[in-house]
Amino acid sequence: QKEVEQDPGPLSVPEGAIVSLNCTYSNSAFQYFMWYRQYSRKGPELLMYTYSSGNKEDGRFTAQVDKSSKYISLFIRDSQPSDSATYLCAMSASSSNTGKLIFGQGTTLQVKP
Amino acid sequence: DVKVTQSSRYLVKRTGEKVFLECVQDMDHENMFWYRQDPGLGLRLIYFSYDVKMKEKGDIPEGYSVSREKKERFSLILESASTNQTSMYLCASREGQMIHNYGYTFGSGTRLTVV
Repeated sequence: QKEVEQDPGPLSVPEGAIVSLNCTYSNSAFQYFMWYRQYSRKGPELLMYTYSSGNKEDGRFTAQVDKSSKYISLFIRDSQPSDSATYLCAMSASSSNTGKLIFGQGTTLQVKP
Repeated sequence: DVKVTQSSRYLVKRTGEKVFLECVQDMDHENMFWYRQDPGLGLRLIYFSYDVKMKEKGDIPEGYSVSREKKERFSLILESASTNQTSMYLCASREGQMIHNYGYTFGSGTRLTVV
């Protein structure tokens, strides 16, 4: 079983829809949670990060962490064609220099005009 | 903005060749990483380095080695390229401890094809 599971999609939605992207994980020691966005032929870029449980909002994006269920989510409101990309969740148990990020497989999102 | 520059966007190499992938970052970051990205498998850590001349194995180090002689440069070496090393290779850097800076900055990637 992989430490981090993410539905690869692809997920196709109409412009303006609310998008929900999810990851589950098995390691209860994870406490740093991130979402990266990767456009085609580009490297991933950090989109959101949260520490421990709770919600974090940034514009149209909301990240949620439920440590009791070992489940994290990224919500995109009023989705735009420019949101079309692959979204990767990532998490780590350690804050040290040698702490490793474990990535999900990535979900490919297409927002149709 | 931090920039992480990978020397090649596309490479085609023959089986058995020694391959060098170069990565340079311009913000004095301590930590540097090499990942490979494959469909359905996501990003997998090959090697990382948290200081000059220091290196640590990641999850899939077999068939690879690394070199970090200067703080800004982290090289990935395929000692004898094989077709199963055909992949997208991503370099990343991060400053200091994760508690202070969660994010990695990634390069644009090198798509390596071994024939």
